[in-house]
Amino acid sequence: GAGVSQSPRYKVAKRGQDVALRCDPISGHVSLFWYQQALGQGPEFLTYFQNEAQLDKSGLPSDRFFAERPEGSVSTLKIQRTQQEDSAVYLCASSLDSSNQPQHFGDGTRLSIL
Amino acid sequence: TQLLEQSPQFLSIQEGENLTVYCNSSSVFSSLQWYRQEPGEGPVLLVTVVTGGEVKKLKRLTFQFGDARKDSSLHITAAQPGDTGLYLCAGTDTNAGKSTFGDGTTLTVKP
Repeated sequence: GAGVSQSPRYKVAKRGQDVALRCDPISGHVSLFWYQQALGQGPEFLTYFQNEAQLDKSGLPSDRFFAERPEGSVSTLKIQRTQQEDSAVYLCASSLDSSNQPQHFGDGTRLSIL
Repeated sequence: TQLLEQSPQFLSIQEGENLTVYCNSSSVFSSLQWYRQEPGEGPVLLVTVVTGGEVKKLKRLTFQFGDARKDSSLHITAAQPGDTGLYLCAGTDTNAGKSTFGDGTTLTVKP
């Protein structure tokens, strides 16, 4: 497809389990962003890649959150030892570059921690 | 910390009415975006405004960027049920790359 693809769409995990969320950006897009959206709120920035380089990870809530983009294309957001407050929709966006280029969002992964 | 405040938080109107929603910031951004998000989907970009005082029109939607580039408004004329959704504004810093989002206005247009 031509858009940003995220998988899985829904993920249910027990507290304490590790999860991995995948993002396939639009082909050729240099910049990739991860956001967390809690119910009833706007997306909050987590981290940003330019190609394979993670330029900003200031939004990651704790060291349990880890993101990678090893080949500058697909990205994975990993959450270790999940907690209930990690329940949210995780959105991925990509853009041609970061200079005022529009961000194109995927439909997100809805994560529920029981 | 840069914050974007959107108002009202919720708005319910009848089809055919006009409405305006607001986005106010404590900081100046390089550009400001308006998105519309439907349940179960990601935000979809409606417009980007860059220049202070800029006005952009998209069919029945009119977007304004304040002179000081710290606030913006979205006006919808003759609202339709298909306009129902969550309207998000986001400020972007060119150097930082990331966007800061408001918490949105949930609009419901009743037929």
